[in-house]
Amino acid sequence: AQSVTQLGSHVSVSEGALVLLRCNYSSSVPPYLFWYVQYPNQGLQLLLKYTSAATLVKGINGFEAEFKKSETSFHLTKPSAHMSDAAEYFCAVSHNTDKLIFGTGTRLQVFP
Amino acid sequence: GAGVSQSPSNKVTEKGKDVELRCDPISGHTALYWYRQRLGQGLEFLIYFQGNSAPDKSGLPSDRFSAERTGESVSTLTIQRTQQEDSAVYLCASRDRGRETQYFGPGTRLLVL
Repeated sequence: AQSVTQLGSHVSVSEGALVLLRCNYSSSVPPYLFWYVQYPNQGLQLLLKYTSAATLVKGINGFEAEFKKSETSFHLTKPSAHMSDAAEYFCAVSHNTDKLIFGTGTRLQVFP
Repeated sequence: GAGVSQSPSNKVTEKGKDVELRCDPISGHTALYWYRQRLGQGLEFLIYFQGNSAPDKSGLPSDRFSAERTGESVSTLTIQRTQQEDSAVYLCASRDRGRETQYFGPGTRLLVL
C-alpha cells in the first residue's frame, strides 16, 4: 500500500525567505512522486514530478524537489518565496500511471 | 489547448436528492479520474477509467456513488440520496496514454443542506 505524509498543515515564511515543504512517502514499489499546487478556488496544477530519472527535479515557478530513497522523502523547496506562492501544496504518490494518493496538504502563507 | 472542464462549478442540493456532476477531459486523453476533496482534508480517489477497460471503483465510498464514461469522452459522477457528508469539492483529472501526469479540472463544489 502507498501513503503520503505531509508534515505541517500550515507553513509561514517571509517574502524572500527559503520555502521548505516536507513530504514523506511509503511505497512497496518504486514510486512516482508529484507536487501539485492549488490556488484559491482553482483546480490543481502540477509543479513537478519524479518518475525514476534524475533525483533532483526542477519544476515551475522556481520550485524543486529531491527524491531521497533512503529517507523516503520528496521535500519541496524554493530559495526565495514570493507573495504569489501563497497557496495550498499537495504531495502525491502513485505506482506507474495508477491513481494518485495524496497527502493532506500544506497551506503556505507568505508575509511581506 | 483546452483543459479539463467540469460542470456545474457549484451545486447546492437538499439532503436526499440525487446530483449529477460532469467532466469533460482533455481531448485524446484515455484515462479519467474522479477525486473528492472534503474541507480541510486531502484528495481522496474515487474512480478511474482507462480506455475500454473495466473501471477501478475501489475508492467509491458507498453504493450511492456511481460514475459512467462513454468511450474516451465525457464522464458523469452521480450521487444518489445525497447526505451532508457528501459536501465536498469533486475534482476530475485526465491523463494521456503512457504519460504519468494527471491534469485537473477546476472542480465542482457540492453543498448538501
